[in-house]
Amino acid sequence: DSGVTQTPKHLITATGQRVTLRCSPRSGDLSVYWYQQSLDQGLQFLIQYYNGEERAKGNILERFSAQQFPDLHSELNLSSLELGDSALYFCASSVGQGETQYFGPGTRLLVL
Amino acid sequence: EDKVVQSPLSLVVHEGDTVTLNCSYEVTNFRSLLWYKQEKKAPTFLFMLTSSGIEKKSGRLSSILDKKELFSILNITATQTGDSAIYLCAASNSGTYKYIFGTGTRLKVLA
Repeated sequence: DSGVTQTPKHLITATGQRVTLRCSPRSGDLSVYWYQQSLDQGLQFLIQYYNGEERAKGNILERFSAQQFPDLHSELNLSSLELGDSALYFCASSVGQGETQYFGPGTRLLVL
Repeated sequence: EDKVVQSPLSLVVHEGDTVTLNCSYEVTNFRSLLWYKQEKKAPTFLFMLTSSGIEKKSGRLSSILDKKELFSILNITATQTGDSAIYLCAASNSGTYKYIFGTGTRLKVLA
């Protein structure tokens, strides 16, 4: 158990819908990272927050947005969902920036 | 464009064998290289390497970084079936703090 928690564990929804994935980092960690992992793409970095501020952006679609709240938990919002958004979404946290990242158990999203 | 390439893509060995997994990287402002093991779900951290030539060791696993040739290897000796997993390598950019992951090496250890 890494200490990073993610909810929900599984999510099934229809195309065009919007979902919110939630992540609580390890106690004391200020950075939160979001990743998408699909079978054909591997692990893709989406976005990183540090102490509430966006610090790095990867291959995140405009339909996706995220934020980190004052209590350091983070939410990833996915809207206008498409079949291709079906994937495992991981959150990871680290103490600072560029430090070892510890991954949560992931949220499996299935878009039908 | 920053990239990380792992080889081989897949590997099947018998228990007791030794394996070497490779990771090469091209990352602007390289900061560190990390190895993760991914079994059923979340990747779990193995090693973080920042200096060239210094071996990190944990039990039967060891890893080393070569910053001149831009690669790292992960060695697993006396493999066990519990080592079966996908091994991921990631390199970080000190300017952007982004982590770029390779596609992984899938290791299967047969009893």
